Amino acid sequence: DAGVIQSPRHEVTEMGQEVTLRCKPISGHNSLFWYRQTMMRGLELLIYFNNNVPIDDSGMPEDRFSAKMPNASFSTLKIQPSEPRDSAVYFCASTPMGNQPQHFGDGTRLSIL
Amino acid sequence: TQLLEQSPQFLSIQEGENLTVYCNSSSVFSSLQWYRQEPGEGPVLLVTVVTGGEVKKLKRLTFQFGDARKDSSLHITAAQPGDTGLYLCAGSRGSNTGKLIFGQGTTLQVKP
Repeated sequence: DAGVIQSPRHEVTEMGQEVTLRCKPISGHNSLFWYRQTMMRGLELLIYFNNNVPIDDSGMPEDRFSAKMPNASFSTLKIQPSEPRDSAVYFCASTPMGNQPQHFGDGTRLSIL
Repeated sequence: TQLLEQSPQFLSIQEGENLTVYCNSSSVFSSLQWYRQEPGEGPVLLVTVVTGGEVKKLKRLTFQFGDARKDSSLHITAAQPGDTGLYLCAGSRGSNTGKLIFGQGTTLQVKP
């Protein structure tokens, strides 16, 4: 079975550039989560969707971050403009519904120079 | 504010030793999950505990949920190099949204 698929796996770009991270959740899963992981802050929830609708974006650091889920099989996390402090591993996770265990992708390692 | 405190943050032991990782909070959770993460991969669920005082075993791993549902522990017996990884606890407040609060994680290294 295909798990959560994230792309790209690695992204290196210069500060000020736009960055778009992509996620394909597991088919049939109704909830999708975006996380950021750093050594200092651990795994932080940025935003999550239920049935393609953003429910809680209180974890989004600032207006430079935006996320969309145009359909049940695709979501994007965009950073514009990017800054060096955005460097982290970004994970996408999906779950069938409610309080079911979350299935994580392998993450995108983002480096902003 | 870190709602879930894990300890220790780092642990390096020899193969065959036992260890316990703790996950503590002042808040009550409806359930608590433990994940294990290997380098370059996402976290993978090990277990979910729901009832206060609940104990679950997964081979050499024993998970316990505190009676008040504010804390949990993970005990590994006779650790093996394959147990090396980052262990994360995550609590749910039970809002049925699936939103989890993660601890900072415990990095475990088991040396052969």
